[in-house]
Amino acid sequence: GQSLEQPSEVTAVEGAIVQINCTYQTSGFYGLSWYQQHDGGAPTFLSYNALDGLEETGRFSSFLSRSDSYGYLLLQELQMKDSASYFCAVLLHSGNTPLVFGKGTRLSVIA
Amino acid sequence: KAGVTQTPRYLIKTRGQQVTLSCSPISGHRSVSWYQQTPGQGLQFLFEYFSETQRNKGNFPGRFSGRQFSNSRSEMNVSTLELGDSALYLCASSLDSGPYEQYFGPGTRLTVT
Repeated sequence: GQSLEQPSEVTAVEGAIVQINCTYQTSGFYGLSWYQQHDGGAPTFLSYNALDGLEETGRFSSFLSRSDSYGYLLLQELQMKDSASYFCAVLLHSGNTPLVFGKGTRLSVIA
Repeated sequence: KAGVTQTPRYLIKTRGQQVTLSCSPISGHRSVSWYQQTPGQGLQFLFEYFSETQRNKGNFPGRFSGRQFSNSRSEMNVSTLELGDSALYLCASSLDSGPYEQYFGPGTRLTVT
């Protein structure tokens, strides 16, 4: 089967940098996505890594290493509005479930 | 462009009843996926529809079903509701059948009493 592991909670200071890790066990997948979800809101797509390496979108960057079965989301210049849950998800080659999500990491940004 | 809309936003039902939830995807999106979100299990895939055909179905009992119409709007139905069906049901649409970038609706909060 497939499983993704993320830390359940992370706390960081406003203005700082935080990295949210995602390790996975899956037999084959197209890529790794990241989503942000504020309390009471809908998940919002942040990034997608089809290839190994770093993808940068403004203050957010995402990294994938297939050889290490590992990815991360890097948030720079943290703002209070970044307090939310962050989910990694793998897009699978096969099986009944095309997209499998991790349980999510709750990020709290403090002053 | 309007986002994904879901109706109703909140619903309270009694055990044993059935419920139908509706989702209208972003215009031009032909793939619609449904997810169940609970605090304990996170986001779990229910099913995906593409051009009125169910492409994938997650590990949920047959009480959970869905369909998609020719205008890409989708409905999901849960029959014989159980307490454990209380959850946030999210609909997501994407441009094609590869859901690597999905756009989620606000969800329907279902409470079963």
